[in-house]
Amino acid sequence: RKEVEQDPGPFNVPEGATVAFNCTYSNSASQSFFWYRQDCRKEPKLLMSVYSSGNEDGRFTAQLNRASQYISLLIRDSKLSDSATYLCVVRYTGTASKLTFGTGTRLQVTL
Amino acid sequence: GAVVSQHPSWVICKSGTSVKIECRSLDFQATTMFWYRQFPKQSLMLMATSNEGSKATYEQGVEKDKFLINHASLTLSTLTVTSAHPEDSSFYICSARGGSNRDTQYFGPGTRLTVL
Repeated sequence: RKEVEQDPGPFNVPEGATVAFNCTYSNSASQSFFWYRQDCRKEPKLLMSVYSSGNEDGRFTAQLNRASQYISLLIRDSKLSDSATYLCVVRYTGTASKLTFGTGTRLQVTL
Repeated sequence: GAVVSQHPSWVICKSGTSVKIECRSLDFQATTMFWYRQFPKQSLMLMATSNEGSKATYEQGVEKDKFLINHASLTLSTLTVTSAHPEDSSFYICSARGGSNRDTQYFGPGTRLTVL
């Protein structure tokens, strides 16, 4: 079983739609959680950290459920520029703070 | 924000040759640098972690004699793919941590290696 699992998609949604991505992680020792965005042939870029209380950044909302080892990302009012691959990333304790990446969920926003 | 550069951005080489990729932190001192590899439609896989002035720590399954990592200064780390083969063709990305925000990793733009 992969340490971080995501539905690869693609998710094809019209502009203005709301879309949600989910992610599960297997190691309960996970300490920190992030969503990264990666455009085709580019490096990943930090979108937002994910906190237990849930957090929001503009149109983006992230949620964490430690009991279920589940992370989500909600994008409201999708824009064409949101088209990218969204990577779920966890950092474990006691491992020199290494990041472990999911395979990513691809989002394509269309007109 | 902090900037990490990589050079070259892409390289094509013949099988059997060695390729060196440079990773530089441009405006901060990187106490730790990470090297990742990403094959098409797969996740980033950590290859090794290096701290300035010490030997790199390689992940399981990564050959240290094939992927030579040197972290000679706080702003430069290099990855050398020795005797490259077509199966080494991949997207190599470095990441650096340090500076005022020691908990954040900054990623370089990546190097696309194609071995013929």
